[in-house]
Amino acid sequence: IAGITQAPTSQILAAGRRMTLRCTQDMRHNAMYWYRQDLGLGLRLIHYSNTAGTTGKGEVPDGYSVSRANTDDFPLTLASAVPSQTSVYFCASSDGTSHNEQFFGPGTRLTVL
Amino acid sequence: GQNIDQPTEMTATEGAIVQINCTYQTSGFNGLFWYQQHAGEAPTFLSYNVLDGLEEKGRFSSFLSRSKGYSYLLLKELQMKDSASYLCAVKDSNYQLIWGAGTKLIIKP
Repeated sequence: IAGITQAPTSQILAAGRRMTLRCTQDMRHNAMYWYRQDLGLGLRLIHYSNTAGTTGKGEVPDGYSVSRANTDDFPLTLASAVPSQTSVYFCASSDGTSHNEQFFGPGTRLTVL
Repeated sequence: GQNIDQPTEMTATEGAIVQINCTYQTSGFNGLFWYQQHAGEAPTFLSYNVLDGLEEKGRFSSFLSRSKGYSYLLLKELQMKDSASYLCAVKDSNYQLIWGAGTKLIIKP
């Protein structure tokens, strides 16, 4: 693989179910991010990780958790999904330089019913 | 609070020039980014400005005025493939990106 991959591409989920969105990058980037994108709103940061072993909360962290066991993987878990978590989720990574351009995965479209 | 403002939608003609404006109010400033996002796809990087002035990259240019909290993206010789949303984002004092809602650009033949 080259770049960032996300899985699944799309998912329909019943409210109350647990769901993990996967994200893997092969660019050896230190920093990784999870965003959600909703119509009419900008990308909103859910959680981030500046290096393996560390994570931080973004603008909208409630209802989500993340882990960063290694450099490549950064899964996002919804412990008990609710309809307001219906969104498109993007994972991104950057190499942490001053330029800090972020590279995005293809996204996961999640619908919670 | 932090705020990024851009027009919701713009329409332009193939071959013409269009300017997409972005104004921002953020806690700190560590650079401004423009990204392009085609419908159903991921955002892709276009430009980065951290100092005042114009950065030119082919048909695309980006301008920054830090004193005015203002940037614009200039697209020349518009092509149909330029139909997309253009996202403005500012890196704040915590080095996190704050994103505008995006400007949907419609190109007409």
